Amino acid sequence: QSVLTQPPSVSAAPGQKVTISCSGSSSNIGNNYVSWYQQLPGTAPKLLIYDNNKRPSGIPDRFSGSKSGTSATLGITGLQTGDEADYYCGTWDSSLSEVFGTGTKVTVL
Amino acid sequence: QVQLQESGPGLVKPSETLSLTCAVSGYSISSGYYWGWIRQPPGKGLEWIGSIYHSGSTYYNPSLKSRVTISVDTSKNQFSLKLSSVTAADTAVYYCARLSSHYYMDVWGKGTTVTVSS
Repeated sequence: QSVLTQPPSVSAAPGQKVTISCSGSSSNIGNNYVSWYQQLPGTAPKLLIYDNNKRPSGIPDRFSGSKSGTSATLGITGLQTGDEADYYCGTWDSSLSEVFGTGTKVTVL
Repeated sequence: QVQLQESGPGLVKPSETLSLTCAVSGYSISSGYYWGWIRQPPGKGLEWIGSIYHSGSTYYNPSLKSRVTISVDTSKNQFSLKLSSVTAADTAVYYCARLSSHYYMDVWGKGTTVTVSS
């Protein structure tokens, strides 16, 4: 049972922007770094954002992350068909466990 | 280039123990980082199972803690997962990953499917 809440789905036309929210609490997001993962169909998750807003090498700057209080947001600009995937947020929780969001499916219209 | 590869039986009988191994190449486990297991039931989201440091210290998901053991073999540069008393609810794709000190997973294995069925 996920402790981080994400919208089940978001969609937009190619070239547009989408944002995905990740809502938690002071036990997790409020006091720890947030990461984001992209999972293309049939593949393993891939790190997109770490430490709230940093991108690993090779991740385009169309992807951005932010955090405020007990919530975090992933933004994707210039949406492409190749961005259709499931996206998950993740962080550490005071229960001494890693926790993930419920996941959001991005659809390019 | 760091690579992780899961291996183990694809079919486990109910009440038995699921055993998986993650072989690490391109990086020595003894050099640092936490190493962990994550699973994903069919059509569902990600669930963290647990993590281990090269020294052997571990963290487990509280909901699975009574059934999980994660161990590390630095001589073989691999780490392993054992999940006891499995049921159909443990059917999932199991991933191994490398975890940073800031708790993000920067390298993932491709995953291995485990089905629990008699």
